[in-house]
Amino acid sequence: NAGVTQTPKFRILKIGQSMTLQCTQDMNHNYMYWYRQDPGMGLKLIYYSVGAGITDKGEVPNGYNVSRSTTEDFPLRLELAAPSQTSVYFCASSYVSGDYGYTFGSGTRLTVV
Amino acid sequence: QKEVEQNSGPLSVPEGAIASLNCTYSDRGSQSFFWYRQYSGKSPELIMFIYSNGDKEDGRFTAQLNKASQYVSLLIRDSQPSDSATYLCAAMNSGYSTLTFGKGTMLLVSP
Repeated sequence: NAGVTQTPKFRILKIGQSMTLQCTQDMNHNYMYWYRQDPGMGLKLIYYSVGAGITDKGEVPNGYNVSRSTTEDFPLRLELAAPSQTSVYFCASSYVSGDYGYTFGSGTRLTVV
Repeated sequence: QKEVEQNSGPLSVPEGAIASLNCTYSDRGSQSFFWYRQYSGKSPELIMFIYSNGDKEDGRFTAQLNKASQYVSLLIRDSQPSDSATYLCAAMNSGYSTLTFGKGTMLLVSP
């Protein structure tokens, strides 16, 4: 049982490049989330999804896009990467309403230079 | 803006002592609260969640909730060096399934 799998683990992007961070879960969770974590800061919600075909913005959505075509996958797209997007990105999933907390992936460390 | 506030620390305690971690939250509608442990370079892992006022115990960990004071705490008894990590407090946002996280408190347990 893999849980939440994120790829890649590390990536260096040049300013203006684009990339997709992949997230897959095998727990049949309806709810999925993308957070970013900057040094010394808490986790900030970027986007979340309550089911296939349904997504909504979180606290810091600018510069990002998401899609949710299946229950298992929730990719995060960065368009026109900027240095401000240098961060660690965590994908998470939960049962309906998240009452029992989230399961996090191992994270993607992204550097934009 | 919904906020969860934590002292960033570090909180230093000797091995075997009780570590007390605290947080406050701004959203009075929040009903569920979570404590996550995060080791350096790793992802957060859930330690405990609490919904009701009072105490909830799980092994060496006790979560405490006071909704009137909008205050959540985590006590770690018999602290071990392996407990050294950053502890994140999170509140479930009212009307949603999303969590708002505090910045975390770094705990250092010295042998």
